[in-house]
Amino acid sequence: SQQGEEDPQALSIQEGENATMNCSYKTSINNLQWYRQNSGRGLVHLILIRSNEREKHSGRLRVTLDTSKKSSSLLITASRAADTASYFCATVPGANSKLTFGKGITLSVRP
Amino acid sequence: DADVTQTPRNRITKTGKRIMLECSQTKGHDRMYWYRQDPGLGLRLIYYSFDVKDINKGEISDGYSVSRQAQAKFSLSLESAIPNQTALYFCATSDFSRPYGYTFGSGTRLTVV
Repeated sequence: SQQGEEDPQALSIQEGENATMNCSYKTSINNLQWYRQNSGRGLVHLILIRSNEREKHSGRLRVTLDTSKKSSSLLITASRAADTASYFCATVPGANSKLTFGKGITLSVRP
Repeated sequence: DADVTQTPRNRITKTGKRIMLECSQTKGHDRMYWYRQDPGLGLRLIYYSFDVKDINKGEISDGYSVSRQAQAKFSLSLESAIPNQTALYFCATSDFSRPYGYTFGSGTRLTVV
């Protein structure tokens, strides 16, 4: 069963705007990760945030984690048409556990 | 060459046929996984292997089997394919020393008619 649940399911924005995607999960985690999938292709790992971290940055990506609310957000700043993809959050419950994925968010960035 | 290679990329097969999907990796990772993706359902874990002698069922293993022939090779078999196994299948790898960043193959699109 899915651990993470992303919100919204679909997001459409104009190029240059920021995109914010949210993920909620049910049980305690060791870490949470975000992946990107271009249409029909494999997933690409974007960023990982550990349970003892609150915020991480990687280029135009900013991830926050609130373990008290069991939620995370992914912010993409200054979006580009090339950011159009599906984004998945995935959780790792324990140190030796497997990734469990949410259903994904479809992001469309209009030129 | 891709770090994780899946073959075939696309396959159409008939109900009742046995089919094998293959995955090979050049990452040197010890852990390998098979996931299935259906529209609107995200990715679900079918089987995983933490090393050559270790095979474990995931959440949706019924109707599937796997073989870890070597550290670099992990194949998924559908013993008797059925139409609801039509999906996009992904192989992924990870490293025990750095277990959390998965590397995915490009996927196999399987259609069972």
